[in-house]
Amino acid sequence: EIVLTQSPGTLSLSPGERATLSCRASQSITSSYLAWYQQKPGQAPRLLIYGASSRATGIPDRFSGSGSGTDFTLTISRLEPEDLAVYYCQQYGSAPFTFGPGTRVDIK
Amino acid sequence: QVQLQQWGAGLLKPSETLSLTCAVSGGSFSGSYWAWIRQPPGKGLEWIGEINHTGSTNYNPSLKSRVTISIDTSNNQFSLNLRSVTAADTAVYYCVRDTLGSAYFFYWGQGTLVTVSS
Repeated sequence: EIVLTQSPGTLSLSPGERATLSCRASQSITSSYLAWYQQKPGQAPRLLIYGASSRATGIPDRFSGSGSGTDFTLTISRLEPEDLAVYYCQQYGSAPFTFGPGTRVDIK
Repeated sequence: QVQLQQWGAGLLKPSETLSLTCAVSGGSFSGSYWAWIRQPPGKGLEWIGEINHTGSTNYNPSLKSRVTISIDTSNNQFSLNLRSVTAADTAVYYCVRDTLGSAYFFYWGQGTLVTVSS
């Protein structure tokens, strides 16, 4: 089973700042099969990124993903107040498909 | 537009069986895998397992001995049964659809909170 770790646990930034979230895998992820989700309180997760760097339908271009192998990054270029959420990475290259523990983004 | 509507009992006693069903509308039932994911209160996400329209299944080894996912193609529904539940199974359960055969999830059900308590 591939274990994902995310850092930092919590990120507190002001609107307009850049957020950089990290996801590290215990082994290399096949074909960059890495997705990112945003989850706001009381809601189901929303797909942001798949294939490490492809934005899902309807996702603003301030969200971008990068990385390969075992190290991946989600960047929010200019934080908006509505970006307050927990962000999860997920690998789908190898079953069982696993999620990271999440990074909470707080807006100052 | 694919929509997933799920339902099932929200309160169970230890040792009972959790049963949830998810109805799919607005999209083809074949060609995709349909899965269940759960999230304990305040915690992260766990993939439970998946099924396709032929009934082929894959389960998380951590739950495999207690889980059955089934499909009813005539009604565009799929279901989750989890046997012998304990308090550790308390979670919000989501039904989801994969994307073009890859297990990342754009479509999610609304979630069902299942609480296990004596």
